[in-house]
Amino acid sequence: QKEVEQDPGPLSVPEGAIVSLNCTYSNSAFQYFMWYRQYSRKGPELLMYTYSSGNKEDGRFTAQVDKSSKYISLFIRDSQPSDSATYLCAMSANDYKLSFGAGTTVTVRA
Amino acid sequence: GAVVSQHPSRVICKSGTSVKIECRSLDFQATTMFWYRQFPKQSLMLMATSNEGSKATYEQGVEKDKFLINHASLTLSTLTVTSAHPEDSSFYICSAGDRGGNQPQHFGDGTRLSIL
Repeated sequence: QKEVEQDPGPLSVPEGAIVSLNCTYSNSAFQYFMWYRQYSRKGPELLMYTYSSGNKEDGRFTAQVDKSSKYISLFIRDSQPSDSATYLCAMSANDYKLSFGAGTTVTVRA
Repeated sequence: GAVVSQHPSRVICKSGTSVKIECRSLDFQATTMFWYRQFPKQSLMLMATSNEGSKATYEQGVEKDKFLINHASLTLSTLTVTSAHPEDSSFYICSAGDRGGNQPQHFGDGTRLSIL
């Protein structure tokens, strides 16, 4: 079993729809949680960062962390074609090594 | 926001050549930087942790004599792929944290290395 599980998709939605992404994990020591967006041939771009648990909102993006269920989510409201990318969840138990999900490929259709 | 700059973005060279990749933190100091490798349609794989003023820490299975890391200042780490061969062709990405610690990590735009 992988430490972080993420459905690779692909996920295709119409423009304006809500994109829902999630990851599950097995290491209860994880306390740093991040979502990255990666366009083809580019490095990952930090979208959301949460320390410990709870919800966080930034514009069209909402990140949720449920440590009791070992489950994190990212929601993208009013999705745009420019949101088409691969979304990676990442987490860490300490201030050091990241464990990544496989990445979910998202396509937003105009 | 925090910016990590990586150079060059693309390298094509002959087998046996050594290639140096630079990673700079542009608006913050980074005691620690991380080097990753990414194969097509796969997630990132941590290769090594670069520590300013001391030796890098390599992940299991990564040859330290093959992938030389130097972190001579608080804003610059370099990765040198020595005597590169076609199997070293990959996407190399660096990262650093900007909040006094290592999380969250900000990534450079990567270097696509192709060895002919």
